[in-house]
Amino acid sequence: EAGVVQSPRYKIIEKKQPVAFWCNPISGHNTLYWYLQNLGQGPELLIRYENEEAVDDSQLPKDRFSAERLKGVDSTLKIQPAELGDSAVYLCASSLRAGEVDTQYFGPGTRLTVL
Amino acid sequence: AQKVTQAQTEISVVEKEDVTLDCVYETRDTTYYLFWYKQPPSGELVFLIRRNSFDEQNEISGRYSWNFQKSTSSFNFTITASQVVDSAVYFCALSEDYMIYNQGGKLIFGQGTELSVKP
Repeated sequence: EAGVVQSPRYKIIEKKQPVAFWCNPISGHNTLYWYLQNLGQGPELLIRYENEEAVDDSQLPKDRFSAERLKGVDSTLKIQPAELGDSAVYLCASSLRAGEVDTQYFGPGTRLTVL
Repeated sequence: AQKVTQAQTEISVVEKEDVTLDCVYETRDTTYYLFWYKQPPSGELVFLIRRNSFDEQNEISGRYSWNFQKSTSSFNFTITASQVVDSAVYFCALSEDYMIYNQGGKLIFGQGTELSVKP
């Protein structure tokens, strides 16, 4: 069974440019998560989707970050415009059930460098 | 407030030594879940174990074992006879049941413990 797929794996941009990350969850997983991981830290949740609905986006900086999950499968996370402090790893995870806490499986992440 | 503390930032051992990674958590209620993940240099977080708050049995899986003690709010992870391939950052995480708490379900991670196993 294929795991969570993310692309690109690495992205280098200049500040003020836009950037987008893509995630394809494990087949059949209806819950999708985006996490931010700063260097030397544990991941922190940005947004959680159950199917197409964003059920927890309280940690998403909405002035510059946006996310969508069309058709309840793939998801895109966008930053516009990027700032130096956005340099981090962006992790996507998915889990099977929405009705209870379930195990989250993570993708390899996208490492963003903002110059 | 929910919080996970991994006080050991870095641990270095020699191959075949046993090593224990500590995890202490704080949570507001009796229904919660604890996890351990491994993050090798490739970056992907690999799921190791999940425990719910009602199951205090210790678990052993090969060279890995976990000790869950609610009395001390700890969920420690021991690797027996460590190997070089065990070198990675290990994260302990907590999740509250989001059927009960509106923002439960998300994982609250500790800072991670970087384990280096030398040959």
